[in-house]
Amino acid sequence: AQKVTQAQTEISVVEKEDVTLDCVYETRDTTYYLFWYKQPPSGELVFLIRRNSFDEQNEISGRYSWNFQKSTSSFNFTITASQVVDSAVYFCALREGAAGNKLTFGGGTRVLVKP
Amino acid sequence: KAGVTQTPRYLIKTRGQQVTLSCSPISGHRSVSWYQQTPGQGLQFLFEYFSETQRNKGNFPGRFSGRQFSNSRSEMNVSTLELGDSALYLCASSLPGQSEAFFGQGTRLTVV
Repeated sequence: AQKVTQAQTEISVVEKEDVTLDCVYETRDTTYYLFWYKQPPSGELVFLIRRNSFDEQNEISGRYSWNFQKSTSSFNFTITASQVVDSAVYFCALREGAAGNKLTFGGGTRVLVKP
Repeated sequence: KAGVTQTPRYLIKTRGQQVTLSCSPISGHRSVSWYQQTPGQGLQFLFEYFSETQRNKGNFPGRFSGRQFSNSRSEMNVSTLELGDSALYLCASSLPGQSEAFFGQGTRLTVV
């Protein structure tokens, strides 16, 4: 069965520091998709990034970057030069190729960015 | 382009009652999924509807049900409410295939 683990429950940083969020996943599927979502206090889950299992290229998008490594089943996410507005709970999620649009979420990491 | 809309935003119900939550997906999105979020269990998948058919179901009791209409709008129903059903219920819509899900702001249900 699929599983997503976010070992860090809470991270506190000072503004402008970099923040790296860890995510480890388990799946038996060879085709799957990984996501990061942000949940601000308003409650809505905001989509940030998606990665397909067949594309291990790591990219940077603005202040966000990610490191996808199939060999270690990890999909880590970094916020560069954090800002107070980045304070939120961040969720890593997995969707298996044959599971429709069902997402399996990790437990979330609360990020607190202090001014 | 309007996002995913969930109504109502907040709801207070009494144990034993039933409740219906509504979700209007992004225009053109035919897949609608529902999730329950609680402090203890985190985000858990309830079910997914695609073209008016339930395509996936999570591990929840039969008191939780849903449906999807021809315009892709979806409703979720919980009967015989229990205190443990207090949660944030999130709806997400997506296009078929390799796409991300977009979430609404949720309905916060409190059972007293």
